[in-house]
Amino acid sequence: ETGVTQTPRHLVMGMTNKKSLKCEQHLGHNAMYWYKQSAKKPLELMFVYNFKEQTENNSVPSRFSPECPNSSHLFLHLHTLQPEDSALYLCASSQEKLAGVDEQFFGPGTRLTVL
Amino acid sequence: QKEVEQNSGPLSVPEGAIASLNCTYSDRGSQSFFWYRQYSGKSPELIMFIYSNGDKEDGRFTAQLNKASQYVSLLIRDSQPSDSATYLCAVPKKGGNNRKLIWGLGTSLAVNP
Repeated sequence: ETGVTQTPRHLVMGMTNKKSLKCEQHLGHNAMYWYKQSAKKPLELMFVYNFKEQTENNSVPSRFSPECPNSSHLFLHLHTLQPEDSALYLCASSQEKLAGVDEQFFGPGTRLTVL
Repeated sequence: QKEVEQNSGPLSVPEGAIASLNCTYSDRGSQSFFWYRQYSGKSPELIMFIYSNGDKEDGRFTAQLNKASQYVSLLIRDSQPSDSATYLCAVPKKGGNNRKLIWGLGTSLAVNP
């Protein structure tokens, strides 16, 4: 266990559905991330939140909508997705440091299948 | 040219051998480099980071950085079957901080008993 939990672990949805992914970190970190991991592709950074403020949106389509109500919780709201959005969605958190490395701790991921 | 490149493998080594994993990057200004390990069906975990040219050792793992040639390597000595995993190289995004990482595709390592 890394201290980062994600629910649900598996999700199957149709293209017209609306669903949300949830991430919670119990590490007291101040930064949270959403990543997409697809087969045969590198890990893709989607969004970064620092102290609840979005600091990075990596040209993600608007059908993905993040929400960060506080430093411990992060959501990814999904609507009208496409089959190519099927992937493993990983949440991560880190603690900003003045010096040294910001080690990112990953949750177990949500395996999303869009039919 | 991809920003971070790795040979996807699979790289197969016998137990007890040295496994050598390589990563090249395109941004000459990159300052820090990360190696994550991802077991099948699991999420990535940080195993090494390196900032300075030369070698950094941590147990059986050694990271080697050559900024002039723009590559970073990970050596695993006395490889064990439990080292079988995908090893991901990550480099901070240009103009960003250590939080915004660009990732390689990963190299799959199989250590055979």
